[in-house]
Amino acid sequence: AQRVTQPEKLLSVFKGAPVELKCNYSYSGSPELFWYVQYSRQRLQLLLRHISRESIKGFTADLNKGETSFHLKKPFAQEEDSAMYYCALSEGTSGSRLTFGEGTQLTVNP
Amino acid sequence: KAGVTQTPRYLIKTRGQQVTLSCSPISGHRSVSWYQQTPGQGLQFLFEYFSETQRNKGNFPGRFSGRQFSNSRSEMNVSTLELGDSALYLCASSFSGDETQYFGPGTRLLVL
Repeated sequence: AQRVTQPEKLLSVFKGAPVELKCNYSYSGSPELFWYVQYSRQRLQLLLRHISRESIKGFTADLNKGETSFHLKKPFAQEEDSAMYYCALSEGTSGSRLTFGEGTQLTVNP
Repeated sequence: KAGVTQTPRYLIKTRGQQVTLSCSPISGHRSVSWYQQTPGQGLQFLFEYFSETQRNKGNFPGRFSGRQFSNSRSEMNVSTLELGDSALYLCASSFSGDETQYFGPGTRLLVL
């Protein structure tokens, strides 16, 4: 069965510092990976997906199939990046069935 | 376009009762998925409906069921409520299921 692991429940950085949110997955097929974000009092929303290879709000994520990881990175964190971040996996052919990680609460301090 | 809407937003029930939650997808979206979010288990997939048919199902007991109407609106029903069913229930819609999913604000269910 597929599984997504986010080892850090809490992550705190200072404004302007680099940030990396870790995500590891286990899945025997070819997964599709996503990062979702939930800002305070807002609904869950897609931040980026690996197949689009876009950089959203300065965030990037590279799928490393050898290490089965999909870490989220941003070179210079901003206070508005403070939010809950979820890594998610879908089985590709049925993209609607998402398996989520436990989430990482990112706090960017001034 | 209006976003995904869910009603009601909050609900309090007692053990043994049943509950029905509603989700209206974004106009034109035909896929609706449901998720349960709890502090202990996180976000877990319940089921997905597409064109009025259940296309995927998660590992939840049969007390959890759903349906989708011809206008793509979806309902989920939980029968014989248990304390452990207290959770935030999220629905998400997408055009066909393979694109970006848009989440609703959720229905918070408390079972006493």
